[in-house]
Amino acid sequence: QQPVQSPQAVILREGEDAVINCSSSKALYSVHWYRQKHGEAPVFLMILLKGGEQKGHEKISASFNEKKQQSSLYLTASQLSYSGTYFCGTAPMDTGRRALTFGSGTRLQVQP
Amino acid sequence: NAGVTQTPKFQVLKTGQSMTLQCAQDMNHNSMYWYRQDPGMGLRLIYYSASEGTTDKGEVPNGYNVSRLNKREFSLRLESAAPSQTSVYFCASRSLPQGAYTNEKLFFGSGTQLSVL
Repeated sequence: QQPVQSPQAVILREGEDAVINCSSSKALYSVHWYRQKHGEAPVFLMILLKGGEQKGHEKISASFNEKKQQSSLYLTASQLSYSGTYFCGTAPMDTGRRALTFGSGTRLQVQP
Repeated sequence: NAGVTQTPKFQVLKTGQSMTLQCAQDMNHNSMYWYRQDPGMGLRLIYYSASEGTTDKGEVPNGYNVSRLNKREFSLRLESAAPSQTSVYFCASRSLPQGAYTNEKLFFGSGTQLSVL
């Protein structure tokens, strides 16, 4: 069962912030975040593990609340290069974290 | 180091034809995956193989078969293609070490654009 992402799309001006949310109906081992540029393959951003941690990657960070089975991706002071579609991928505990299922994606457009 | 290699990059089939999408990785990863990507649907898991010799169904397995030929190769077969299988297909691999979660990222191939007429 796919996790649910919100919003579906967001348009920003350079320098603005955005939050992308990911919610699962299943207990999770981990949450992954990926970014896909048009016509390219998805590229890994970060992984968050059960334990409710928060991680950062340049000006992109994320949190994982395992009790709520939710993760959020934070993009601060957005740059043109941040444009793309962002996917969360979840590894449910009931598959022994073997399977990784993705949300439907959030399309982010950063304008000058 | 090539990473994940998918072939072909493009394919056009007629309804009812069969074909096999090939995928190979050179990173010694245990797990391999096949996803399809359709507009507005994101990446949907077709089949996965957690280790050599095992395969499991994902969210949308109907109309597909897979073979984990060895640790490197994981192929996806369409026995009788249908227009609903028009999509972009991605193969991916992932290291799944015992207990060590932090290196679990997925590496994707460049994708196969498949059209079924």
